[in-house]
Amino acid sequence: RKEVEQDPGPFNVPEGATVAFNCTYSNSASQSFFWYRQDCRKEPKLLMSVYSSGNEDGRFTAQLNRASQYISLLIRDSKLSDSATYLCVVKTNKLIFGTGTLLAVQP
Amino acid sequence: DTGVSQDPRHKITKRGQNVTFRCDPISEHNRLYWYRQTLGQGPEFLTYFQNEAQLEKSRLLSDRFSAERPKGSFSTLEIQRTEQGDSAMYLCASSPVGDTNQPQHFGDGTRLSIL
Repeated sequence: RKEVEQDPGPFNVPEGATVAFNCTYSNSASQSFFWYRQDCRKEPKLLMSVYSSGNEDGRFTAQLNRASQYISLLIRDSKLSDSATYLCVVKTNKLIFGTGTLLAVQP
Repeated sequence: DTGVSQDPRHKITKRGQNVTFRCDPISEHNRLYWYRQTLGQGPEFLTYFQNEAQLEKSRLLSDRFSAERPKGSFSTLEIQRTEQGDSAMYLCASSPVGDTNQPQHFGDGTRLSIL
């Protein structure tokens, strides 16, 4: 079993849609949690950190459930520019990445 | 630009050759990490340094791979006797020591293609 599991997608959604990504992790000792965004053939870039209290950054909302070892990302009012791979990331002393979920926002 | 810098951006070489990549971290970051990413997968951890000390190595890092950070600043990753399975994007990241909530910042990566 992988340490971080994500649905690889692809998720094909129309502009303006709301889309949710989920992720589970196996190491209960994980210290911190992130969502990274990766465009095709580019490096991963930090989208947002994830906290148990939930956190929001504009159209993006992230949530962590430590008891269930579950992380989510919600994107509201999808834009064409949101098309990318979204990587669920868990940190111990290093980053453990999921395989990523591919999002394609259609006009 | 004071971000993480990697060189070269692309490397194409024949099987069996040796290759070396360089990473310059963000200057105030003590920790430096190497990851490898193959198509359709997330990045996989290879090794990391705190200052000049190599603190952890993944089982993915076979004896053909060696990484150094001699002065605690830039790092090199060398692959000897390259194989086709080594074709991947090699990513370097850095972060400060201390706050575990600090994310890692990635360089543009070095894309290696083995012919």
